[in-house]
Amino acid sequence: AQKVTQAQTEISVVEKEDVTLDCVYETRDTTYYLFWYKQPPSGELVFLIRRNSFDEQNEISGRYSWNFQKSTSSFNFTITASQVVDSAVYFCALSEARGANNLFFGTGTRLTVIP
Amino acid sequence: DTAVSQTPKYLVTQMGNDKSIKCEQNLGHDTMYWYKQDSKKFLKIMFSYNNKELIINETVPNRFSPKSPDKAHLNLHINSLELGDSAVYFCASSPGRDTQYFGPGTRLTVL
Repeated sequence: AQKVTQAQTEISVVEKEDVTLDCVYETRDTTYYLFWYKQPPSGELVFLIRRNSFDEQNEISGRYSWNFQKSTSSFNFTITASQVVDSAVYFCALSEARGANNLFFGTGTRLTVIP
Repeated sequence: DTAVSQTPKYLVTQMGNDKSIKCEQNLGHDTMYWYKQDSKKFLKIMFSYNNKELIINETVPNRFSPKSPDKAHLNLHINSLELGDSAVYFCASSPGRDTQYFGPGTRLTVL
């Protein structure tokens, strides 16, 4: 069975600090996809990144970076020089190559960036 | 140029009523989904649907039914609403098994 764990329920940082959001996943599939979505206070779900299980390269997009490590089943997300606009709930999610293309979400991490 | 849209954004209704939430996508995607987000923010798949197959999460009560009049729409019908149905419902779409893009959500409150 598949499972996504985001152990950090809430994190508060001061603006300009770096912050890492942890995500650990479980799956029996050898082919799977990992995602991060952002849910700002306005409530919509914003897609941030998708990685497949065969691509362990880290990715950087502006102030955002992602560290995928299959050996520890982790897909962590780092925000560098955090800003108040980064305040949101962040969800890590998993989909498997077999079966329906459903997303299995973690419970989310609420990030608050204090000015 | 909204990609995935839902109506209404807010829905307040009495227990026992029947209601529908509409979802439309203009992305040309062939697969659509409904997710439920509960009061603790937990997101769970309810249905996935393409023009060939409907897959229902077995935990979803049969009072919930998706209806797709065409490839761009997947509406959610709920019969005999219960207090526990209060949640935010998100529609999403994807091109095949690729990334899912979400609508803005519909907050359903059952009184």
